[in-house]
Amino acid sequence: EVQLLESGGGLVQPGGSLRLSCGASGFTFGSYAMSWVRQAPGKGLEWVSSIRANGGDTQYADAVKGRFSISRDNSETTLFLQMNSLRPDDTAVYYCATTREYCSGASCFVPWFFDFWGRGALVTVSS
Amino acid sequence: ETVLTQSPATLSLSPGESATLSCRASQSVNSYLIWYQQKPGQAPRLLISDASNRATGIPARFSGSGSGTDFSLTISSLEPEDSAVYYCQQRGSWPLTFGGGTKVEIK
Repeated sequence: EVQLLESGGGLVQPGGSLRLSCGASGFTFGSYAMSWVRQAPGKGLEWVSSIRANGGDTQYADAVKGRFSISRDNSETTLFLQMNSLRPDDTAVYYCATTREYCSGASCFVPWFFDFWGRGALVTVSS
Repeated sequence: ETVLTQSPATLSLSPGESATLSCRASQSVNSYLIWYQQKPGQAPRLLISDASNRATGIPARFSGSGSGTDFSLTISSLEPEDSAVYYCQQRGSWPLTFGGGTKVEIK
């Protein structure tokens, strides 16, 4: 059974930093791209960042570019999101989510949709 | 950035009725349109990928159609557990974007 467990959320002051983790189990972590998607209270879904299975390629939403950094440790089957210079509008539940990569030889294809999701971690940015 | 506009914002229907949800893209996303279901207090769940491919375990009453800029999700014969917010997402170009959601209420 696929399990994704986010941790590291909490209350932080504006300008502060926080590091989210997403522990994964029940699937071959190294064969999946991973992403972070957030949801502000009472609002819709917003894609934040994605990383390829080998960690070699990353993408960021403009709203977080230069402030957030996505990374992964395939040996520990864990995804991270380092969040710096946090602002009140970063307040949200942050979900980690999987996207299976399909590889043929050295070439891999990533259909960027999210087949499994964690339960989310709440990040509140407030003074 | 590809903007996705979902309509209607809310749909209120009775069990057994059929629901049609719309998602319109500001530019062509080919068939790279995905649908999710989110119930209160839960994470989203993948329903449909690439316009019309039902995800594993999704009941056959959920179906998707469309291409280019206009897409729809149909829920035939609504059941009480279908009460949720439904989101579309495009993967045709970066950044990945979501629609604002359609809330389906079961009377």
